[in-house]
Amino acid sequence: NAGVMQNPRHLVRRRGQEARLRCSPMKGHSHVYWYRQLPEEGLKFMVYLQKENIIDESGMPKERFSAEFPKEGPSILRIQQVVRGDSAAYFCASSPAGGINTGELFFGEGSRLTVL
Amino acid sequence: SQQGEEDPQALSIQEGENATMNCSYKTSINNLQWYRQNSGRGLVHLILIRSNEREKHSGRLRVTLDTSKKSSSLLITASRAADTASYFCATSTGTASKLTFGTGTRLQVTL
Repeated sequence: NAGVMQNPRHLVRRRGQEARLRCSPMKGHSHVYWYRQLPEEGLKFMVYLQKENIIDESGMPKERFSAEFPKEGPSILRIQQVVRGDSAAYFCASSPAGGINTGELFFGEGSRLTVL
Repeated sequence: SQQGEEDPQALSIQEGENATMNCSYKTSINNLQWYRQNSGRGLVHLILIRSNEREKHSGRLRVTLDTSKKSSSLLITASRAADTASYFCATSTGTASKLTFGTGTRLQVTL
């Protein structure tokens, strides 16, 4: 049973380009969470999705950032017109139905975005 | 603002010693979880303690929760070099659909 799969693991973009990060949850998990981590800091919540629905996007910047979790395929975190401040590690986590109040989150290894 | 704040920010001990990390939070919680992160890797769940529990054990880990003080502690007994990592507490609150993570404690265990 594969864990949470994120790709790419490392991504380099120039300012103004688009970054697209993908996350495949664990098999049987229908809840996906995206977090951002700056160097030497904790994780900051961005967005929580279930299949085809955004449940909570309170941590997502209003501009340039979007997320989706389609019926088929991985969840995508999209950052348009990247700036240097977007450089960070982006982690995806998944949980089965019931979510975090019933148990743990399972994390992927992260996608490390560097904006030049 | 951070819901959880870990203390200390960094801890260096020798193999075989015990390591204690503390976490304070601000609002009432449903549960509190501890995660471990090795450098450059994702987070791994260690243990979950619910708001109506006071203590929990898992192997060499012992977690306590004091809801009156809004604090939790993680004790790692007989530490090993492989325990070197950052440790984060995370809280689930009310009907919130997310975990809120603290700032982490960086633990270094030397031989």
